[in-house]
Amino acid sequence: DSGVTQTPKHLITATGQRVTLRCSPRSGDLSVYWYQQSLDQGLQFLIQYYNGEERAKGNILERFSAQQFPDLHSELNLSSLELGDSALYFCASSVGGGDNEKLFFGSGTQLSVL
Amino acid sequence: AQSVAQPEDQVNVAEGNPLTVKCTYSVSGNPYLFWYVQYPNRGLQFLLKYITGDNLVKGSYGFEAEFNKSQTSFHLKKPSALVSDSALYFCAVREPSGGSYIPTFGRGTSLIVHP
Repeated sequence: DSGVTQTPKHLITATGQRVTLRCSPRSGDLSVYWYQQSLDQGLQFLIQYYNGEERAKGNILERFSAQQFPDLHSELNLSSLELGDSALYFCASSVGGGDNEKLFFGSGTQLSVL
Repeated sequence: AQSVAQPEDQVNVAEGNPLTVKCTYSVSGNPYLFWYVQYPNRGLQFLLKYITGDNLVKGSYGFEAEFNKSQTSFHLKKPSALVSDSALYFCAVREPSGGSYIPTFGRGTSLIVHP
């Protein structure tokens, strides 16, 4: 068990809908990362937060947004969903977000857009 | 920009034989390199990392990786494969000097160990 909790584990929804994925980092970790994993794109970095502030942005669509709350949990909001958004979404955390830190990954949320 | 390549989508090896999963990287400075493993229906788990120092890095579950600066490679190795090693393996790179704080991951290599 990595200590990173993601809910829900599975999510099935329809095109055009909006969903929220939740992540609780390991106790004491200040940095949260969101990744999207799909067969054709591999593991794509979406966004990173550090202690409540956005720190880095990757290939995140404008329809997607995220935030990190004062208790350090994070939410990823996906709106106007399309079939192509179906993927496994991972949250990871690290102590401070430093260069040489390892990431601890949650088990992911499998999103299916029908 | 930093990048990493895993040239093999799949590696097949018999149990008890040595295994190698290949990774090459591209950065403009000195890299930080990582290997992660993903078992079915699980998140990625850290195996080992190279920051500086000894080119041979030892990690979890008997895995090791060799950093080769001239060949820009960081291949994952294990002397004797187990069936339970079957999983998806990801190499990742970070460029600490003026680069992104975010690790870039390879596309992954599926390791299949046959009994």
